[in-house]
Amino acid sequence: QVHLVQSGAEVRKPGASVKVSCTASGYTFTTYYIHWVRQAPGQGLEWMGMINPSGPRTIYAQKFQGRVTITRDTSTSTVYMELTSLRSEDTAVYYCARDSSGWFVFWGQGTLVTVAS
Amino acid sequence: QSALTQPASVSGSPGQSTTISCAGTSSDVGGYKYVSWYQQHPGMAPKLIIYDVNNRPPGISYRFSGSKSGNTASLTISGLQSEDEADYYCSSYTSSSASVVFGGGTKLTVL
Repeated sequence: QVHLVQSGAEVRKPGASVKVSCTASGYTFTTYYIHWVRQAPGQGLEWMGMINPSGPRTIYAQKFQGRVTITRDTSTSTVYMELTSLRSEDTAVYYCARDSSGWFVFWGQGTLVTVAS
Repeated sequence: QSALTQPASVSGSPGQSTTISCAGTSSDVGGYKYVSWYQQHPGMAPKLIIYDVNNRPPGISYRFSGSKSGNTASLTISGLQSEDEADYYCSSYTSSSASVVFGGGTKLTVL
């Protein structure tokens, strides 16, 4: 069955960068887009961007343009999300999710990124 | 892109029905069938409960139904049960950036 397994929790200082991974299994990796969605503590879901693993075409939310980069490694069926110039407001759980024509059935378990000095 | 607009909270008694609205624009909710709804319990990843406006994935209770009128989508939960108490999010494709936008979320309390 389909699984998306994310890397573990990270702690970073303001101004640093973080790179979170999402390894897919149970399906053909290049068939479905992968999206990144984040959720700050007590807040709602926020779409960050997506990648076509066969492309690798990417689209980013305007809010994160210039700070986020989504890449993929087809040899390991892994998608990466790197966020730079971190600030305290970036403290959140980051999820990867597999696209199925605009909706997400399969989600990773989430990765908590904490930004604190 | 701006988030879709949902009420912050709704409530209902067991057995009753409740409806959560999701207001967008003609560039997202009103223009496409790609509206979906997610249920999220504390500490868990979101769970898809409705896709393409009014379709339920396998295993999702018939008590959950979706609809759309103009630029506003709605999620109706009938026969409320205690386990329905959760946060609910709508989502839509948006042509303004060829991407995805979420609603701000609605906390459902089952009294």
